[in-house]
Amino acid sequence: NAGVMQNPRHLVRRRGQEARLRCSPMKGHSHVYWYRQLPEEGLKFMVYLQKENIIDESGMPKERFSAEFPKEGPSILRIQQVVRGDSAAYFCASSQGTSVTDTQYFGPGTRLTVL
Amino acid sequence: GENVEQHPSTLSVQEGDSAVIKCTYSDSASNYFPWYKQELGKGPQLIIDIRSNVGEKKDQRIAVTLNKTAKHFSLHITETQPEDSAVYFCASYGNNRLAFGKGNQVVVIP
Repeated sequence: NAGVMQNPRHLVRRRGQEARLRCSPMKGHSHVYWYRQLPEEGLKFMVYLQKENIIDESGMPKERFSAEFPKEGPSILRIQQVVRGDSAAYFCASSQGTSVTDTQYFGPGTRLTVL
Repeated sequence: GENVEQHPSTLSVQEGDSAVIKCTYSDSASNYFPWYKQELGKGPQLIIDIRSNVGEKKDQRIAVTLNKTAKHFSLHITETQPEDSAVYFCASYGNNRLAFGKGNQVVVIP
């Protein structure tokens, strides 16, 4: 059973470009979470999605950031018109459900560098 | 929202000694407390967790204790080994999300 997959592992963008980060959850998991990690910081919650639905996006900046989890295919975190402050590691996690017994498993992350 | 604080920020221990990391949380409704280990360049890996109806849980050299009254929980690593060197994050679960501490860098000195 493959774990959570993320790609690309490293992404370099120039200011003003778009960044697309992909996350494939573990098999059988229908809940996806995105987190951002700045250097020497903990992980900050961004958004929680189920298939075709955004459940909680309260941690995501209102502008330039969007997320989706379509019926088919991976979850996508999209950052438009990137700025240097967007440079960070972005982690995706998945779980079977949202009860207290549903552990979140993390992917290896995408490290975004904005030049 | 939930506020999780973790200390100390760095911890150096001699190989074979024990390491203890402590976390406090603010939301009394939180009911699940996982610990993650993150090695350089990798994603966080769950190493142990504890639910609010339990006071202590042990898995080989790793144990976690929870004091719900005081709202703090701790990770204990015994007989530390060089491969235990990593950043450890505590987290608290409530309102369908995990709130993480800032992490603790553990260095095991051979």
